[in-house]
Amino acid sequence: GAGVSQSPRYKVAKRGQDVALRCDPISGHVSLFWYQQALGQGPEFLTYFQNEAQLDKSGLPSDRFFAERPEGSVSTLKIQRTQQEDSAVYLCASSPRLWTTNTGELFFGEGSRLTVL
Amino acid sequence: GQNIDQPTEMTATEGAIVQINCTYQTSGFNGLFWYQQHAGEAPTFLSYNVLDGLEEKGRFSSFLSRSKGYSYLLLKELQMKDSASYLCAVREAKLIFGTGTRLQVFP
Repeated sequence: GAGVSQSPRYKVAKRGQDVALRCDPISGHVSLFWYQQALGQGPEFLTYFQNEAQLDKSGLPSDRFFAERPEGSVSTLKIQRTQQEDSAVYLCASSPRLWTTNTGELFFGEGSRLTVL
Repeated sequence: GQNIDQPTEMTATEGAIVQINCTYQTSGFNGLFWYQQHAGEAPTFLSYNVLDGLEEKGRFSSFLSRSKGYSYLLLKELQMKDSASYLCAVREAKLIFGTGTRLQVFP
C-alpha cells in the first residue's frame, strides 16, 4: 500500500496478557517512530528507529514495553503483562530521511487501538 | 522541561475564521508542525514552519514567532469537514506534540 499500515486495528486483551502490534512503514522510509495516544490527548513519544537501529527509547513507559525493527522495515511494538493503563491508541509514523538531519514531515498510520480489560 | 500548550476545545460557525494558538517551551527547536486528526484516523500533515512569519496554503495558514515561542493555525471559510483535532508539534530530536485542540464547526 501507499501509506503506513498498522495491524491489528483493534485489540482487546485481558490484564496480564502479552500483545504485539505491527507497523509496515512506507517502503524505503528510513525513520520510524512509535507514539502512544490516550483518549483526548496528543500523541506521546515512545521510541525512534533509524533503519534497524533504535536510537531513542526514552519514551517507553516501563520495561514491559519493547520495540524492534530487525531488518530496517517492519517494526513490532510488544507489551508484556498488559495493564489497564496501557489502554490507548498506538501510532506508528515514518519519514523518508534521517530525522535528525533533514526536514520533512512524519507520515502516520491509523493506529492500533488497545483495550486492556 | 518540554511544554506545548494549546486550548482544549474551540467552536466556530461554518464559513467563519478561527485561530488556534500554540505556545511552546522546549529544550530544542528545529521547526513546528500542525497536524489535523479526525476521530479514529491518522494525523495528517497541514503545515511546517521553521522561520518566523506566515505560511499560507489554501484555506489554512500557519504563523511562527520563535522569539516568543508562539505559533497559530488560521482556518478560513470553515467547512463542516474541518471539525477535527488540531495538533501542534515541535520538531527536535523527536516530534513532541501538544494535547491537541478539538474544533467543532456548527452550521
